[in-house]
Amino acid sequence: ETGVTQSPTHLIKTRGQQVTLRCSSQSGHNTVSWYQQALGQGPQFIFQYYREEENGRGNFPPRFSGLQFPNYSSELNVNALELDDSALYLCASSPYTDTQYFGPGTRLTVL
Amino acid sequence: QQQVKQSPQSLIVQKGGISIINCAYENTAFDYFPWYQQFPGKGPALLIAIRPDVSEKKEGRFTISFNKSAKQFSLHIMDSQPGDSATYFCAASKDNQGGKLIFGQGTELSVKP
Repeated sequence: ETGVTQSPTHLIKTRGQQVTLRCSSQSGHNTVSWYQQALGQGPQFIFQYYREEENGRGNFPPRFSGLQFPNYSSELNVNALELDDSALYLCASSPYTDTQYFGPGTRLTVL
Repeated sequence: QQQVKQSPQSLIVQKGGISIINCAYENTAFDYFPWYQQFPGKGPALLIAIRPDVSEKKEGRFTISFNKSAKQFSLHIMDSQPGDSATYFCAASKDNQGGKLIFGQGTELSVKP
């Protein structure tokens, strides 16, 4: 186990709704990254937060947004959900090195 | 743009055999190359990683071979066991980006008893 936890485990939403996913980083890690993993694909980088500031963003639209809190926990928010947003959302924490430790993910289904 | 290409997509190996998964990258600025193992319903777990200043790294039954000139790296699993059955992902990142990982598409490994 990595010590990275995510909630909820599963979530079902309808198109157009908004969703918030949560991540608790491993103790001592000040960097959190979020990834989207579609079925049968490798994870794709959404964005990274370092000490509460966004520190890099992948090719995702602005309706994907995030927050990192002083205790280094994090949220991923997705507005105006689309069917293609159905995926496993992974949070990874690291002590600002390349070594990232992944949580178990949140499975989001958009109907 | 696919920056890390992984093959094969699936692999079946007999127990005790050697599993080999290959990856190729395009961006010569990449300087960190990890392999992750993912079981169904779980997040990816770091298996082993290499930097381009070495050509091989071994940890237990797992070995990474790295060919900088060919921009390729591979994972070798020696004495493969049924418990190794999982999906394996290679990835790459640039050190100065503090860990934005670019993943390959994954290889589903099945080790038959």
